[in-house]
Amino acid sequence: QVQLQESGPGLVKPSETLSLTCTVSGGSVSSYYWSWIRQPPGKGLEWIGYIYDSGSTNYNPSLKSRVTISEDTSKNEVSLKVRSVTAGDTAVYYCARHHFIAATGTGWFDPWGQGTLVTVSS
Amino acid sequence: SYVLTQPPSVSVAPGKTARVTCGGTNIGIKSVHWYQQKPGQAPILVIYYDSDRPSGIPERFSGSKSGNTATLTISRVEAGDEADYYCQVWDASSDRHWVFGGGTKLTVL
Repeated sequence: QVQLQESGPGLVKPSETLSLTCTVSGGSVSSYYWSWIRQPPGKGLEWIGYIYDSGSTNYNPSLKSRVTISEDTSKNEVSLKVRSVTAGDTAVYYCARHHFIAATGTGWFDPWGQGTLVTVSS
Repeated sequence: SYVLTQPPSVSVAPGKTARVTCGGTNIGIKSVHWYQQKPGQAPILVIYYDSDRPSGIPERFSGSKSGNTATLTISRVEAGDEADYYCQVWDASSDRHWVFGGGTKLTVL
C-alpha cells in the first residue's frame, strides 16, 4: 500500500522560500495525482495544489502566485515550494494521494503523510 | 469562493449516535468526503462519495445528504471516536479547487 513521508526544514525565515519533499513508497508517483494540504496550528485544512502526469498542476487561487509543485520520478518524490513566506504560512504541511475523478471533477485525499511542521520566524 | 459550514463542536455520550453536519450551497449536487483527525495525527478518510466507506472503516460510520446539508453519522459512539471531523468537496466554480469545512470537534462525554 502507498505510504507518504514529508521532509524538509522546520524553520524558515520570512521572505524566504519554503521547500518540502514527499517521498512515496508502495506506488509510483507517475501513476497518480498528488496534493499538498496545510493546517495552521489549531486551525482547519487548506488545499494548496496538486500535480499529475509528471508535470500538470492545479493550485489554490489564493496561493497560486507563490506556489510550485513538482515531481522527481527517478526518486519517486513530490516537492512543494512556497515563495516569499510570512508568519501566515506557519503550518503542518501534508502530502496526500489525490483520488481525482475527471468525469465529475470530484476527488478525495487518501492516504496522507504524517505531516511536517514548518514555522516561519526570524 | 465556496464555503462549507460545520458546527465547531458536537458532544455525545458513549453508545449513542453522533451527527456532524456540513452545509453548503447546492451541496446536494456535489460529492462530499469526510475525514477524521485525532490530536497530533494526520487526517484519515472515513467517508467518500457521500456515503462510501474505505476498507477498514467501521460500519458505524455513515454519510448522507439532504437539501443543502451533508451529515456524517457515527453510531454506537466509542471513546476512540473523539476527534476533529472535516467535510470536503470540489468547488466547481471559477476557482475550481478543493474546499474543506472548518471542522467539528466531537467530544465523547
